Amino acid sequence: EPEVTQTPSHQVTQMGQEVILRCVPISNHLYFYWYRQILGQKVEFLVSFYNNEISEKSEIFDDQFSVERPDGSNFTLKIRSTKLEDSAMYFCASRGQGFPLSYEQYFGPGTRLTVT
Amino acid sequence: KNQVEQSPQSLIILEGKNCTLQCNYTVSPFSNLRWYKQDTGRGPVSLTIMTFSENTKSNGRYTATLDADTKQSSLHITASQLSDSASYICVVSSLGNAGNNRKLIWGLGTSLAVNP
Repeated sequence: EPEVTQTPSHQVTQMGQEVILRCVPISNHLYFYWYRQILGQKVEFLVSFYNNEISEKSEIFDDQFSVERPDGSNFTLKIRSTKLEDSAMYFCASRGQGFPLSYEQYFGPGTRLTVT
Repeated sequence: KNQVEQSPQSLIILEGKNCTLQCNYTVSPFSNLRWYKQDTGRGPVSLTIMTFSENTKSNGRYTATLDADTKQSSLHITASQLSDSASYICVVSSLGNAGNNRKLIWGLGTSLAVNP
């Protein structure tokens, strides 16, 4: 069964450094998402991406964040200058098109980002 | 304000027993309601997705109900197994522009521990 994959599984970085989190969505999916989950808190929406552009973003997704689909398979989240409060699990998700499949988002296993 | 509240916050049951988890939401306009299972350190996995016209949906030992009038949902787990130990998250999607799903509104989850 196709699945969303994410790399790395765990990233440790120093405050102020740039990080790139990578995701490979399911191959025929068209909608892509990034979420984050701070330990013990709710999953929070960051951004959705469709047709090579951001379709929606949350208040969390400020100028320090950017997303890119550099080729036909990868979907990346970049944090330009990490802060301590960026430490969280980051989940990528993708979904297909066409009812009822359009409802279903498939999540990757997550990248645990630790900012020290 | 769009919100999803879940109860109980945590639950411990013995293997083989049944349990029911609750979800109340204030999300408008409503599109669909999902239940996810999230193992510790992993991404959420979808159990059920229900639209407003669906009252109940089953997935193996999981049965979800939805009352769109009272804005309540429940997830019933039958004959629990040790592998059911996880966080169960209720997520509601509101209907966005042009019929597209908007970002998901997440509950905090119920942490279920199944003990032998």
